[in-house]
This record gives sequence, structure tokens and C-alpha cells, in this order.
Amino acid sequence: KAGVTQTPRYLIKTRGQQVTLSCSPISGHRSVSWYQQTPGQGLQFLFEYFSETQRNKGNFPGRFSGRQFSNSRSEMNVSTLELGDSALYLCASSLVGGGTYEQYFGPGTRLTVT
Amino acid sequence: AQSVTQPDIHITVSEGASLELRCNYSYGATPYLFWYVQSPGQGLQLLLKYFSGDTLVQGIKGFEAEFKRSQSSFNLRKPSVHWSDAAEYFCAVGAVAAGNKLTFGGGTRVLVKP
Repeated sequence: KAGVTQTPRYLIKTRGQQVTLSCSPISGHRSVSWYQQTPGQGLQFLFEYFSETQRNKGNFPGRFSGRQFSNSRSEMNVSTLELGDSALYLCASSLVGGGTYEQYFGPGTRLTVT
Repeated sequence: AQSVTQPDIHITVSEGASLELRCNYSYGATPYLFWYVQSPGQGLQLLLKYFSGDTLVQGIKGFEAEFKRSQSSFNLRKPSVHWSDAAEYFCAVGAVAAGNKLTFGGGTRVLVKP
């Protein structure tokens, strides 16, 4: 079974621009969560989508948004990029129900804002 | 609010020696716990998980962890370290009430000496 895929793997953007990152979950997984990883703040939860609805949200400004499609693929968008948005963005998928809660992570998208 | 503490930022261990990584958590509800490993430039790989039941759990790559509710700890161990175990290790906590939101510790970087 294929793992979680994220595209693109690397991205360089300029301050003020916007960016869209994509995540395809493991087949059959209906929940997709997004995390931001930086050297200073570590791994922080952005949001989770399940059945095309945002189910949970972390403490990030409204510039960070996401959505999920009917095939469970998810995108996250960051508008008006700031230098501090430079980070590794990780997507994780999980199977909802059945008493399992583990999340499987993709390789991440490395975003650099200049 | 939940929190996860990994007291050791760096650990250096000789190849063949044993390894123990500490993780302490603070969470009001009954938690479920994970250990993930991250190699440079990669995503997170799930090593093992604890949901309920036997407090000693076995994972991949020869790792095990023990959940101690009285100490709010979930320490990771490996009897004999291989050079390929050099990586960063993250402890994470979640709960049913939190959906799929995971709170991560700051990570422990493991260096393996030949």
C-alpha cells in the first residue's frame, strides 16, 4: 500500500505571496492532519480534516487554511507569506474508527520564504 | 493543556550499547502515546504506540516502550543500538477527545559512536 505523498517536496516563495501544498493520504484513510515543523517551535498541529470538514484546529493565524476533497486528498494554503512561515510542513493520515489512532506521516514539503 | 517533555535534547551512545529516551507527559484525559523517528530531511516514521492494555509495548526496529501512569512517562528503549539508529526521536500524546491532534515533545537527537 502506498504511503502518504506530499507535493511539492521543496518550494521557495517570496514574502507576501501565497502557497498551496498538497497531500494524498494512504488509501482508505479519511482523516488528514497538517503539522508545521520549525527548529524554534518544533512540531505544531495546524488542523485536521475528516470527511471534507475541518474537525480540529491549532493556534495558527487565519492565513493558514486548508480543505479536503471527496477522495480524502487535502490541500493547505498559506496566504501573505512571512519569513517565519519557512518550515517543513508535514501531512499525516489516519484511519478513523476501529479504535486505532495512529497517524502516518508523509515526507513533508520544505517551504522557504525569502 | 496537554504537554510533552523530552528532557534530553541530545544523547550520544556507542554502537552496541543500550539506549533509553525519556518522555513525560501532562494530560487530563487518558492519553494514547506514540514514538516517532525522523531521519534528516525525512518525515516521521511511527516506531510504536500505546492505547491501552499491556504497558510494555513492542515496536519496529527492536524498540520497546513502557507506559507508567503513576510517573506520567513513556520511555523508549533499545537493548543494542545500531549506527542506523542515529536520528531524531519524538514522543507524542493524543486523546480520543482531541481527535487526531497530537502534541509532540521537542525531540531527542541520538548520535551513535562507532
